[in-house]
Amino acid sequence: DTGVSQNPRHKITKRGQNVTFRCDPISEHNRLYWYRQTLGQGPEFLTYFQNEAQLEKSRLLSDRFSAERPKGSFSTLEIQRTEQGDSAMYLCASSPDRWEGYTFGSGTRLTVV
Amino acid sequence: EDQVTQSPEALRLQEGESSSLNCSYTVSGLRGLFWYRQDPGKGPEFLFTLYSAGEEKEKERLKATLTKKESFLHITAPKPEDSATYLCAVQAYSGGSNYKLTFGKGTLLTVNP
Repeated sequence: DTGVSQNPRHKITKRGQNVTFRCDPISEHNRLYWYRQTLGQGPEFLTYFQNEAQLEKSRLLSDRFSAERPKGSFSTLEIQRTEQGDSAMYLCASSPDRWEGYTFGSGTRLTVV
Repeated sequence: EDQVTQSPEALRLQEGESSSLNCSYTVSGLRGLFWYRQDPGKGPEFLFTLYSAGEEKEKERLKATLTKKESFLHITAPKPEDSATYLCAVQAYSGGSNYKLTFGKGTLLTVNP
């Protein structure tokens, strides 16, 4: 059990570029979540996967955001045409079925310049 | 809409000076209340889950309690290594399998030696 792994840890991109983040959950965890955290705020829910199915998306997730979890393993979060307002820490978390709490990764910090 | 309010926003203590952090919440039906610790640049680290009013949990110098409207995180004789942001989150019954969390903004705790 190596924990939830997120890559890259940091990403600096120019406005208008596309970026993709990867999350590797704890093995055998079938639930996977993405959250976004801005400075001085708590994490905000973005989307949820159970195995490979994306079951819920927050209204915070605009059309420029897309998430996938092929084969119910790792997940990717893509942001197209990045804007300065997208600058934040993007957190991934995973959970087994039997527990409502979950384990977070260390996050990917995105800076849009 | 579920809401979580944490107070104070920041707290500075001397080593050994005990205190409490507050988390007040409104939720349609509480499945669980969670406390996480977050160090700078890292993802939240799970501390406790509380499920019903009157429940208490302890871990080292930390003790979490729950009432129908709020939760307290008591810190006894804190040490500098307890310095971190402490996040409170609630999970509501939604009828589905999405165990999303609604977080407060956190309390930034600084313990001076």
